[in-house]
Amino acid sequence: DAGVIQSPRHEVTEMGQEVTLRCKPISGHNSLFWYRQTMMRGLELLIYFNNNVPIDDSGMPEDRFSAKMPNASFSTLKIQPSEPRDSAVYFCASSFGTSGEQFFGPGTRLTVL
Amino acid sequence: EDQVTQSPEALRLQEGESSSLNCSYTVSGLRGLFWYRQDPGKGPEFLFTLYSAGEEKEKERLKATLTKKESFLHITAPKPEDSATYLCAVQRGSQGNLIFGKGTKLSVKP
Repeated sequence: DAGVIQSPRHEVTEMGQEVTLRCKPISGHNSLFWYRQTMMRGLELLIYFNNNVPIDDSGMPEDRFSAKMPNASFSTLKIQPSEPRDSAVYFCASSFGTSGEQFFGPGTRLTVL
Repeated sequence: EDQVTQSPEALRLQEGESSSLNCSYTVSGLRGLFWYRQDPGKGPEFLFTLYSAGEEKEKERLKATLTKKESFLHITAPKPEDSATYLCAVQRGSQGNLIFGKGTKLSVKP
């Protein structure tokens, strides 16, 4: 199994631009999580899906952030417009059901100038 | 409010020098406590799940224990390859999401 796949691995953009992060979960997993990691705040949950349905989006910072999961094998996290404070590493993780054993992707390092 | 606090923030050990990492938690209806390892530039990797006070899990030089208020990750005779950030997380109720602590960065010098 290839594990959780994320793209791009690195993204550098300018303030105000739209950013789209992509994730392919492990086949057979039906829960998908988006996290953001910074030195100051650590690893924070942004949103999680179960069977392609958003269950908890209370961690999404504001309306500039949106996430979709159109099918079981693909999810996107979009930031529009991006701001410098959005600079962080964004991780996608997947699991089977509500298991706490989550499998993380390699992350996308986002830099907003 | 659910909270996970890890200490120390950083720990430097000599190879072979055993020690423990602490994870204190406050959560209503603990479903499970999880330990993850994170290497630089990579995503966290699952290590252990603990479900009830008194439970212990072992893997190579690592042993995780759980009480009603905290968990310890004991590292026996560590090697340089054990250097990483160790993250603790809790899960409550029937929810699938985890609440992570900020981690302990462990450095083991040869």
